[in-house]
Amino acid sequence: QKEVEQDPGPLSVPEGAIVSLNCTYSNSAFQYFMWYRQYSRKGPELLMYTYSSGNKEDGRFTAQVDKSSKYISLFIRDSQPSDSATYLCAMRETGGFKTIFGAGTRLFVKA
Amino acid sequence: SAVISQKPSRDICQRGTSLTIQCQVDSQVTMMFWYRQQPGQSLTLIATANQGSEATYESGFVIDKFPISRPNLTFSTLTVSNMSPEDSSIYLCSATGGRVENTEAFFGQGTRLTVV
Repeated sequence: QKEVEQDPGPLSVPEGAIVSLNCTYSNSAFQYFMWYRQYSRKGPELLMYTYSSGNKEDGRFTAQVDKSSKYISLFIRDSQPSDSATYLCAMRETGGFKTIFGAGTRLFVKA
Repeated sequence: SAVISQKPSRDICQRGTSLTIQCQVDSQVTMMFWYRQQPGQSLTLIATANQGSEATYESGFVIDKFPISRPNLTFSTLTVSNMSPEDSSIYLCSATGGRVENTEAFFGQGTRLTVV
C-alpha cells in the first residue's frame, strides 16, 4: 500500500464547476499537508498548505484535512480553463524533512 | 517563498555521457532535494543534498550514478552519469526551510533531459 493515494484522473469539468480533488494516506504521523499545481513542462507550484486538521481558504481554493479519516481535499470553486493542470497532494511528518507526494490528478476545465 | 533557479532547462544528450544540473536558491535554505519525474508520473525522491557532507540517497539511487554536491546553503548540483535512454526524465530541485517555515517545499522549473 502506498503511503499516499491519489486518483490520477484525468478529471474533466465544464468551466464554472466546483472541483473536488482528494487524497488518502496511511501514516498517522503526517501533520503538514500541501497541494501543488503543476502546469505542463513546469515545476510544481505550492498552492495551499495546512497544519493538522481543519480548513483553509484562499480565494477560489479551499483545502480540508480530516485526520481522523486520513483524508484531505482541495476544492476549486468557479473553475477556469487556466486551472487545467496536474494537482499533487503532499504531506510531511512533524520534524520530518521528506515530503511524500501523491501521484497527481490531471484536471481539464473546458471553456 | 524561495525562488529556485535551475539550469539547464532542457538538454538532449548522447548515451554514455554525463550531465550536471545546477540549482540556485535566492536565500539560505535548510534542506535541498533532487527529484525525478517521469512523464505523467509523480515525483520520486532521488536524494537529499546535505551541506558539507555526502548526500543521502533513496532506495534505488546510488552516488556513482547520481553524484550530488552542495557546497553551501544556496546551491546544489546533480550529475546524471553514464546516461542511458532510461534516464530520460524531468529532474527537479527542491528546497525547504530558510526564511519560511520548515514546512512547504519549493521547486525549480525542472530540467527536461532526453538521452538518445
